[in-house]
Amino acid sequence: EAQVTQNPRYLITVTGKKLTVTCSQNMNHEYMSWYRQDPGLGLRQIYYSMNVEVTDKGDVPEGYKVSRKEKRNFPLILESPSPNQTSLYFCASSPGQGVEKLFFGSGTQLSVL
Amino acid sequence: ILNVEQSPQSLHVQEGDSTNFTCSFPSSNFYALHWYRWETAKSPEALFVMTLNGDEKKKGRISATLNTKEGYSYLYIKGSQPEDSATYLCAPSGGYQKVTFGTGTKLQVIP
Repeated sequence: EAQVTQNPRYLITVTGKKLTVTCSQNMNHEYMSWYRQDPGLGLRQIYYSMNVEVTDKGDVPEGYKVSRKEKRNFPLILESPSPNQTSLYFCASSPGQGVEKLFFGSGTQLSVL
Repeated sequence: ILNVEQSPQSLHVQEGDSTNFTCSFPSSNFYALHWYRWETAKSPEALFVMTLNGDEKKKGRISATLNTKEGYSYLYIKGSQPEDSATYLCAPSGGYQKVTFGTGTKLQVIP
C-alpha cells in the first residue's frame, strides 16, 4: 500500500532532550516536506527536500534540522526541544513536480514540557 | 510567505444543503492551487490541484473553480452529507512545491 509513515504518533518529552521524528514513504517520491499545525494557524512548512541530499528551509525552520540521505526517509530532528515546539507535525511527500498533490503521514503530536 | 485567506472560518449546514467556500490568494507569482480535505484525527487528503485560469475540477459532489487573475478559488459541495464534515484547506503554490496553507474552513453537516 502506498503510504507515508510517521513515527511516533504521540510523544511527550522534556525541554532540551534531543528527539527525532521519522518519516518514510514507499512511493519513490522525490519531494518530501515537514509541516507543523498550531491552533488558529495554517499548516506551516518547516523544511522541504527536493531530492536526496537536497534540503531547504521552509517558513519556520528555527529549532529544527532535517536530513535526506535516502530517497524514502526524511527525519525531523529537534536538537534541543522547547515548549514552543509543542505542536502537531505532519510529513508529506509528492512525486516532485510542482503541481503534484501532497500525500500526508498520520501526524505526530509532540508535547515538550 | 503567501497571504492566503479562507472564508468562512466555520460553517454549519443541514444535510442535503449545498454550500461553498472561498480561498483568496495573491494573483502574482501563481503556480498552482491545492485543495485538501482534513477530517478530525486523520491526515489531510488531496481533493484537487489546479493550475490554469478558469480551471474547473469535480470529484463526486465536490467541485472547485479557479480564477488566477483575480486570485480566488471556490469549493462547492452539492447536497452535503454528514461524511462531508471536515476542514477544507486551500493551499496556493508560488513556486516549486512552495505550498502555503490557509487556516481552513471547518464544515459541520447536521443530519
